[in-house]
Amino acid sequence: GALVYQYPRRTICKSGTSMRMECQAVGFQATSVAWYRQSPQKTFELIALSTVNSAIKYEQNFTQEKFPISHPNLSFSSMTVLNAYLEDRGLYLCGAGGGPDYTFGSGTRLLVI
Amino acid sequence: QQQVRQSPQSLTVWEGGTTVLTCSYEDSTFNYFPWYQQFPGEGPALLISILSVSDKKEDGRFTTFFNKREKKLSLHIIDSQPGDSATYFCAATSSGSWQLIFGSGTQLTVMP
Repeated sequence: GALVYQYPRRTICKSGTSMRMECQAVGFQATSVAWYRQSPQKTFELIALSTVNSAIKYEQNFTQEKFPISHPNLSFSSMTVLNAYLEDRGLYLCGAGGGPDYTFGSGTRLLVI
Repeated sequence: QQQVRQSPQSLTVWEGGTTVLTCSYEDSTFNYFPWYQQFPGEGPALLISILSVSDKKEDGRFTTFFNKREKKLSLHIIDSQPGDSATYFCAATSSGSWQLIFGSGTQLTVMP
């Protein structure tokens, strides 16, 4: 079956530091990878949509300078949160697919102290 | 601007009862509407989906209805089970974009 693994599952970083999270698709080709942040209230914010061989499209309020994304092949993507601050806390979810259905990983929970 | 509205925010039903969740949207270009189920500590999992050319799709105990004129959709769960207790999200996207826009979620509790 189609599975998406995200790691780390949970990470704590000091305010102003950066952390990288990874997303691995197994059993299918991840032509598109969507990165979301889910708030404690469960609200989803789309950060960016990455499609292999196309430019990564960032949503309003999210920039490449803050959330650089790499999507080098059909099974892997990574995103870095640069200079993390309290407002960057949340569950970062990776959804992989070929459109329109996405398979999501369990997320990387980011705590900033 | 909230593009996909979902209600209720939370819902409690008794085991064996019918659960009804509703969503509405504004963007007329949306033509694909998946429902996701999320358990604590996990990512959302696709439950059922419907295209705008259909008005009903059924999968076991789960049925989704779509009303294009009113821009509304709903998820019905019959014979609700305690194992159905989770947060449910409707979502919407348009072909070519494939940017999933999620509703705010409904936390469902099924009491035994």
